[in-house]
Amino acid sequence: GAVVSQHPSWVICKSGTSVKIECRSLDFQATTMFWYRQFPKQSLMLMATSNEGSKATYEQGVEKDKFLINHASLTLSTLTVTSAHPEDSSFYICSARLLAGGNGDTQYFGPGTRLTVL
Amino acid sequence: RKEVEQDPGPFNVPEGATVAFNCTYSNSASQSFFWYRQDCRKEPKLLMSVYSSGNEDGRFTAQLNRASQYISLLIRDSKLSDSATYLCVVTSGTYKYIFGTGTRLKVLA
Repeated sequence: GAVVSQHPSWVICKSGTSVKIECRSLDFQATTMFWYRQFPKQSLMLMATSNEGSKATYEQGVEKDKFLINHASLTLSTLTVTSAHPEDSSFYICSARLLAGGNGDTQYFGPGTRLTVL
Repeated sequence: RKEVEQDPGPFNVPEGATVAFNCTYSNSASQSFFWYRQDCRKEPKLLMSVYSSGNEDGRFTAQLNRASQYISLLIRDSKLSDSATYLCVVTSGTYKYIFGTGTRLKVLA
């Protein structure tokens, strides 16, 4: 259980194009999903918290107009990188929050999307 | 000071060795703590949660010291397959994860 999928797993695009990444919780409903970015040899940095049916909450320094997040259902959140540039090249990982009662919350991660902007 | 700090390593150990990692955190209000494992170019996978009383899962033991604000992970009888980056995670607020930079472990044959 607690499987999260991401699509696509990798994408190469030209500078200036927009790229959409999907994150799905396959066997549970997730009212909250998270989007992270990881540059080489660095840790995961939270970009935004995606809440089903409401606006996403962005971390400081993350441009909400550049990284559009939509969480239209309890199993799907999408991240669109608009007008991508080479500096946006990174590993984008989503996670879905599973409420686990006494054990506290646990996040399960998707396999990630490697974005390369030429 | 970073919110979550880890020694990046790498820790190079022979098979069968015991190795321990520490992680310190700055927010004394943090409630939940986890160790995740990340293989190269893959997503993090939950290794274990860390409880105040300490917990063990096979060869892995996690400890939490709230007074000194650190958590630890002990791996006994290291296997080649344990080679990975181990990420310390501390929650901020109710559910936001803050990741450490990770500690690289290489288990050598």
